[in-house]
Formats: sequence, C-alpha cells, structure tokens
Amino acid sequence: EIVMTQSPATLSVSPGERATLSCRASQSVSSKLAWYQQKPGQAPRLLIYGASTRATGVPARFSGSGSGTEFTLTISSLQSEDFAVYYCQQYNKWWTFGQGTKVEIK
Amino acid sequence: EVQLVESGGGLVQPGGSLRLSCAASGFTFNNYDMGWVRQAPGKGLEWVSAISGSGGSTYYADSVRGRFTISRDNSKNTLSLQVDSLRAADTAVYYCARNGGGTFDYWGQGTLVTVSS
Repeated sequence: EIVMTQSPATLSVSPGERATLSCRASQSVSSKLAWYQQKPGQAPRLLIYGASTRATGVPARFSGSGSGTEFTLTISSLQSEDFAVYYCQQYNKWWTFGQGTKVEIK
Repeated sequence: EVQLVESGGGLVQPGGSLRLSCAASGFTFNNYDMGWVRQAPGKGLEWVSAISGSGGSTYYADSVRGRFTISRDNSKNTLSLQVDSLRAADTAVYYCARNGGGTFDYWGQGTLVTVSS
C-alpha cells in the first residue's frame, strides 16, 4: 500500500496570507496525485488532479506542484471560505489518502 | 448537473448487514467507473471499493474484502454496496463518488453507518 503523509497537521494562517501544504508518498506515484478540500459536514471537493491541474470551477489562487513522491498545494491568498481540511490522494495504485491538513484562522 | 444521492445507512448491530445505494443523475452513468469512500467520525478518508463502468470489474480495500460487495445497475443509474459482517470499525459516513480519469471528481453527501450494540 502506498502511504501518503501530509504536513503539517494544522496550519494557522491569517486571511490574505499564503498557505503551503505538503504531501509525501511512500513510493513514486508519478503525477497521479489529487487534492481535496473538505468543510465540516460536507463531502470532499476535488481541487487539483494530475498534481497540478485545477478541477472545474476551482479558483486560480489554488495551485499544485510536484511529481514522484513530493507534492505541494499552495493557496496564494487565503479567503474566509478556504479554511477547511485538505487531503492529498494518490491514484497511481488503487487510492490512498493522506491524513489531512487543517487550515485554520490565525 | 451531476448528482449523487446515497441512502441506506443506519444503526446496525455488530455482525449485521446493510445495503447502501447511490442514485446518480446528470451524466452518462455507464461511461464512468464508480467508487465508495468512507470517513469514520472525526477521521480521514478511506477508499473502500470501486467498480468499472460495465460492472465487470470490482475492487476492494483489504479491510473490507470478503465482507462488502459492490454492484451497479446501469439501467437504473444506481450504485450499491452490500455491507455484511459489520464491525464497530466500519462505523463511518459512506460516500459514493464518480471516478473521473482516476480521481473522484464528484461526491454524494454521504450516508452514515453506525455499528453498535
């Protein structure tokens, strides 16, 4: 099983600031990496797939990068609606998720 | 508009069974692989099972293999998950999701399964 590890577990950021979330895979997943956003009481929402391609309707302030085993999700200027939990997921071999990073208001 | 609506969750005793359903609309159902993902209370996401568009291929996480059965009825645009021999560790919200090119691009709102005596 490919293990996905996210860091940090919690990120405290002020509105308007930049947020950088990390995700590491236990083995190479090429670019088969997705990022999801989940707000309390809601289903996850696909943000990024193919490591760097924004899903339909996702604002340009969200960007993804990386390949192989190291990946990053960057939110360039946090808006109030961006405070949520973010999960990375590999889909190179089956599907496994990271444990999530909670982005909270500082 | 793509819509996925789950049903069938509830409270069940350990060792019991449930059948979860997902009604799909807004897309050509048989063109897409589908999957189930669960989330235990306060925890992260765990992939459970997946099925090809034709229904001819099915896949399971090790934690549920032999106890859960995924199926689909393309004539009714419905995805199902038969969950048997339930354990407390299976308590979770179960999400139906569409597999769009490998990722889960649309999700339902989930149905809660609680396993408790």
